[in-house]
Amino acid sequence: EVVLTQSPATLSLSPGQRATLSCRASQSVRIYLAWYQQKLGQAPRLLIYDTSNRATGIPARFSGSGSETDFTLTISSLEPEDFATYYCQQRSDWPLTFGGGTRVEI
Amino acid sequence: EVQLVESGGGLVKPGGSLRLSCAASGFSFSSYNMNWVRQAPGKGLEWVSSISRSSTHTNYADSVKGRFTISRDNAKNSLYLQMNSLRAEDTAVYYCARVSAAAGNQYGSGSYDVWGQGTTVTVSS
Repeated sequence: EVVLTQSPATLSLSPGQRATLSCRASQSVRIYLAWYQQKLGQAPRLLIYDTSNRATGIPARFSGSGSETDFTLTISSLEPEDFATYYCQQRSDWPLTFGGGTRVEI
Repeated sequence: EVQLVESGGGLVKPGGSLRLSCAASGFSFSSYNMNWVRQAPGKGLEWVSSISRSSTHTNYADSVKGRFTISRDNAKNSLYLQMNSLRAEDTAVYYCARVSAAAGNQYGSGSYDVWGQGTTVTVSS
């Protein structure tokens, strides 16, 4: 099973600051890594798929990079609505797995 | 509007059964792979099961294999999850999720571009 380790667990930032979230895989997932945003009481929302492709309607301040085992989600300038929990997910291998999440808080 | 609406959750005793349903609308349901993902209270996301467009391929997490069965009825635009021999650790919000056409394969795997609002399953005596 591919284990995804997200760091940090919590990121404390202010609006306007840059956020850098990490996701490390226990083995190569090639480019097949996605990022989701989840707010309290809501379903997750797809932000990035296959490492760097923004999903429909996702603002350009969200970007993804990386390959094989090391991936990064960057939010260039935090908006108030970006404070949430972020999960990475791999689709390279069964079982599909998610990281434990990074909470971005003010 | 593209939408997924889950139903069928509730309180069930350990060892009991439940059948979750997910009604799809606003898109060509038969053209998409579908999955179930769950989230235990206060925890992260866990993939549960996948099914391909024509039901040819199904996959399960080890934690539910042999107890849960995924199925779909393309004529009814519906996805199902039959859950038997339920355990306390199955307590979670269950989401149905559509696999993105741009980020999926023919076996049902992928990343999820549309999610339902979730249905809560509580397993407790």
